[in-house]
Amino acid sequence: GAGVSQSPRYKVAKRGQDVALRCDPISGHVSLFWYQQALGQGPEFLTYFQNEAQLDKSGLPSDRFFAERPEGSVSTLKIQRTQQEDSAVYLCASSSPGAQGFVLGYEQYFGPGTRLTVT
Amino acid sequence: AQSVTQLDSHVSVSEGTPVLLRCNYSSSYSPSLFWYVQHPNKGLQLLLKYTSAATLVKGINGFEAEFKKSETSFHLTKPSAHMSDAAEYFCVVESNTGNQFYFGTGTSLTVIP
Repeated sequence: GAGVSQSPRYKVAKRGQDVALRCDPISGHVSLFWYQQALGQGPEFLTYFQNEAQLDKSGLPSDRFFAERPEGSVSTLKIQRTQQEDSAVYLCASSSPGAQGFVLGYEQYFGPGTRLTVT
Repeated sequence: AQSVTQLDSHVSVSEGTPVLLRCNYSSSYSPSLFWYVQHPNKGLQLLLKYTSAATLVKGINGFEAEFKKSETSFHLTKPSAHMSDAAEYFCVVESNTGNQFYFGTGTSLTVIP
């Protein structure tokens, strides 16, 4: 079946522009995660949704970062007034088909990522 | 807090020889642990996971890992490297609420023909 998809795959933005990154999770997956992966580093957690509820946004680096999942499926990560330090690959993952509450030990399925370059 | 340390940033092996990628974790509870592989321009793919069942876990493509609580380690091994194994490998520990993964900094595996 279809995996997690993300668009666009590449985005170049001038410093100060706003960007919106889209994630389509696996159909039926309750949990959705966003990660930021800087060059040469491992992914770092940004935020977590369970259905439409954003249960954890502790990893968002500043109030310029905003994520939403209004209908509990597609999610958008928005970055306002982009800065050069925002340049990274943004990864989306989904997990836990049909599960509610916190569940442990479930695989997260990752999309290919969006590479954001801020010039 | 949970964290993982991947002890080698780069590992180089000859084709057909064993692979060992080292990972140590830190956790205040008995965690779920994962190894993911990332090929260039591809998404992260699960190799295997440990979730408090058998301590020796077998994954895809001939990889396996052993959970050793006394050593807080979860090293990844493969008896015989193949050219297609060249990639970036990440060791991951799950948070105690299951709502986030903590990734190591990755190990780049090179396979020499």
